[in-house]
Amino acid sequence: DQQVKQNSPSLSVQEGRISILNCDYTNSMFDYFLWYKKYPAEGPTFLISISSIKDKNEDGRFTVFLNKSAKHLSLHIVPSQPGDSAVYFCAASGSTGSYQLTFGKGTKLSVIP
Amino acid sequence: ETGVTQSPTHLIKTRGQQVTLRCSSQSGHNTVSWYQQALGQGPQFIFQYYREEENGRGNFPPRFSGLQFPNYSSELNVNALELDDSALYLCASSPTGGAGTEAFFGQGTRLTVV
Repeated sequence: DQQVKQNSPSLSVQEGRISILNCDYTNSMFDYFLWYKKYPAEGPTFLISISSIKDKNEDGRFTVFLNKSAKHLSLHIVPSQPGDSAVYFCAASGSTGSYQLTFGKGTKLSVIP
Repeated sequence: ETGVTQSPTHLIKTRGQQVTLRCSSQSGHNTVSWYQQALGQGPQFIFQYYREEENGRGNFPPRFSGLQFPNYSSELNVNALELDDSALYLCASSPTGGAGTEAFFGQGTRLTVV
């Protein structure tokens, strides 16, 4: 039973345009949501996070939106750059216990020059 | 400040053997988590150690065990290896392990069981 779902395995976007990566979750106990980026042969690197008490968090070109009632979040990258080409993982954690991260399967983003 | 480092980077083992993977956490981080990433999947939580004690465990059998040392480095041990254990094993450290705390990942150990 997948608690965090990324339904698009891949996404292609032109350089300079907006990239929108989507993520859905089923566990209402999740309180924090994080996005990680992964290049081949490297570990995931943290991008941006959002607490369930907020609906938007912005950091430079990256913005995460959270719709708690729909159990949906999205990552917007504007403008997209070729160096953004990577696999993006959505992850969620609760606010008790070990705060373990539950990951989606990832979306491979390709930014075309 | 050094990041999270894992060793070895690649490993090939035979079914039934035992393996030990190692992780040095980022300086100042007292919490280490281990994840298994199978091909085409997202990382799956194995367990977490906080100040040398296991602090949570995912849905993995007891043949997956771990240790955390006083310097906060960590080991993941897997006994009686099975073909399905072939995966990328990721170690992540964080400063406190609290809610919403960003975890810093190592580059992973690619384990192949034949």
